[in-house]
Amino acid sequence: GNSVTQMEGPVTLSEEAFLTINCTYTATGYPSLFWYVQYPGEGLQLLLKATKADDKGSNKGFEATYRKETTSFHLEKGSVQVSDSAVYFCALSEDSWGKLQFGAGTQVVVTP
Amino acid sequence: DTAVSQTPKYLVTQMGNDKSIKCEQNLGHDTMYWYKQDSKKFLKIMFSYNNKELIINETVPNRFSPKSPDKAHLNLHINSLELGDSAVYFCASSQGWENEQFFGPGTRLTVL
Repeated sequence: GNSVTQMEGPVTLSEEAFLTINCTYTATGYPSLFWYVQYPGEGLQLLLKATKADDKGSNKGFEATYRKETTSFHLEKGSVQVSDSAVYFCALSEDSWGKLQFGAGTQVVVTP
Repeated sequence: DTAVSQTPKYLVTQMGNDKSIKCEQNLGHDTMYWYKQDSKKFLKIMFSYNNKELIINETVPNRFSPKSPDKAHLNLHINSLELGDSAVYFCASSQGWENEQFFGPGTRLTVL
């Protein structure tokens, strides 16, 4: 079956540091890949997505590239802010009625 | 304007009780979902409805019964609550299964 594995947190960084959160997946077909963010006390928000190999999703300074050869979709941001403190979820969806399969989530804590 | 709303936000109840969580979306979407997030932040889909028709039912105990009176609402009724049902439950909606899912703020259920 399909699965998503992402690095465990918490990841603690200083403001303006570089952030990478690793995400790898297993899938039988060609899934769409997503990063969702959950700020404290809130629901999930879509951060970015990529629907086919070599696509790059980007939003709010975050980027992730769909790498089919390494089955990865790592999230990066060049300079984090305190407001980026949140839990980040990698997810995939295949042709099964929007069934999103999530990774375990990675908590990111950015300190001033 | 709230896109996806859930009531109540917090629900504390005793084991064995029956409770309901309501979800409403004003986005005009045709697909709605329920997800469960456990204490370790792991998210898993429970149900999906498209145009009021059940599409996804993920090995959820039959104590959980979703009901969709119309396309804008998807309620979750839980019978005979157990300690293990304690979690945050998120409702989401999308226009078609292939498009972005918008999440509600979550309902934190605590079973004592």
